[in-house]
Amino acid sequence: NAGVTQTPKFQVLKTGQSMTLQCAQDMNHEYMSWYRQDPGMGLRLIHYSVGAGITDQGEVPNGYNVSRSTTEDFPLRLLSAAPSQTSVYFCASSSGGGPSSYNEQFFGPGTRLTVL
Amino acid sequence: QQQVKQSPQSLIVQKGGIPIINCAYENTAFDYFPWYQQFPGKGPALLIAIRPDVSEKKEGRFTISFNKSAKQFSLHIMDSQPGDSATYFCAASNPGTYKYIFGTGTRLKVLA
Repeated sequence: NAGVTQTPKFQVLKTGQSMTLQCAQDMNHEYMSWYRQDPGMGLRLIHYSVGAGITDQGEVPNGYNVSRSTTEDFPLRLLSAAPSQTSVYFCASSSGGGPSSYNEQFFGPGTRLTVL
Repeated sequence: QQQVKQSPQSLIVQKGGIPIINCAYENTAFDYFPWYQQFPGKGPALLIAIRPDVSEKKEGRFTISFNKSAKQFSLHIMDSQPGDSATYFCAASNPGTYKYIFGTGTRLKVLA
């Protein structure tokens, strides 16, 4: 099992550009989520999904879109990048009902994004 | 706003010492409290977790102490090693919300 994979590892964007951060998992997990990690802020939930076709907002959803067409993939889209979106982005997945059902969340290696 | 407050922000100990990282929460509905370990350039990985029906849980050199009445929980690392140098995050989850709330992290450095 590859676990949770993310691409790209690094990305530099200019303000206003759009891009998609890719996330895939091969553990057949129903629950997937996106976090951003900023110094002194910990990990903050952006969006999450409890299954294919079902997504919901987390703590900091503004400026980001998600979709979940398959169990395996959960891409995160930045429609018009802003410097405030400079961060490290982590995708995570877990089985069953997600972390609130005592299921371990598995994190990907992260994407480091810089918006100039 | 649900919060989990973590302290200290950073911690330096000598090899063999026992670093202690503390977290406090407000929402009494939280029912799952994991700790994650993160090495530079890597994603967080689950270290140990506890439910509020027990006051302590040990896994190897790592121990969680849980005080339900004080709404606090802490991570103790026994006989710490330089390889334990990492950032540690506490978290809490609320049944039915499908969400973790993370603390702000503690950067631990264990000196050889």
